[in-house]
Amino acid sequence: KAGVTQTPRYLIKTRGQQVTLSCSPISGHRSVSWYQQTPGQGLQFLFEYFSETQRNKGNFPGRFSGRQFSNSRSEMNVSTLELGDSALYLCASSLYGGGTEAFFGQGTRLTVV
Amino acid sequence: AQSVSQHNHHVILSEAASLELGCNYSYGGTVNLFWYVQYPGQHLQLLLKYFSGDPLVKGIKGFEAEFIKSKFSFNLRKPSVQWSDTAEYFCAVNYGGSQGNLIFGKGTKLSVKP
Repeated sequence: KAGVTQTPRYLIKTRGQQVTLSCSPISGHRSVSWYQQTPGQGLQFLFEYFSETQRNKGNFPGRFSGRQFSNSRSEMNVSTLELGDSALYLCASSLYGGGTEAFFGQGTRLTVV
Repeated sequence: AQSVSQHNHHVILSEAASLELGCNYSYGGTVNLFWYVQYPGQHLQLLLKYFSGDPLVKGIKGFEAEFIKSKFSFNLRKPSVQWSDTAEYFCAVNYGGSQGNLIFGKGTKLSVKP
């Protein structure tokens, strides 16, 4: 079966701009979670969507937002980009979230200059 | 706050050596435990998981992990590593319930010398 697809793979943006990242989960999976991975902080949870509703949110500022569509595809948006937002953004899909196995995409590498 | 600790930042081993990577999590009641691996240039892949039952869990590629509830630990082991095991290993915990977030440890980079 097809895996989790994230687009684009690489992005370079300027401070102050906004960016939208996309994630297509595995067919049939209803939970999509987003993570930020940096060398200093490791993998940090951003938010989780389940059946188009945000079910859980990590400790990130309101500049980070997301949504999920009826086909379970999800987008993540970061507004007013800062240099510190440079990171690998990972999307994970699972059947129901919680203890069900999460499958990760390749990630989107965002560089803010 | 819920947290996950991985004791070693970087481990260097020779091929055929035994491996044990430590993982401890903060108390939080019911937990689901995972080990993920990230090979260079690849996405995170699940090695093994523990939900309930036998505390000794076997995963892919000869890896296993033992859940010790009294120690809040979920250590990863492999009797004999190969050069192809060179990767970064992440312990992750889901603190129960239906919510899908995983709390990750900072990761352990494993380098296996041929």
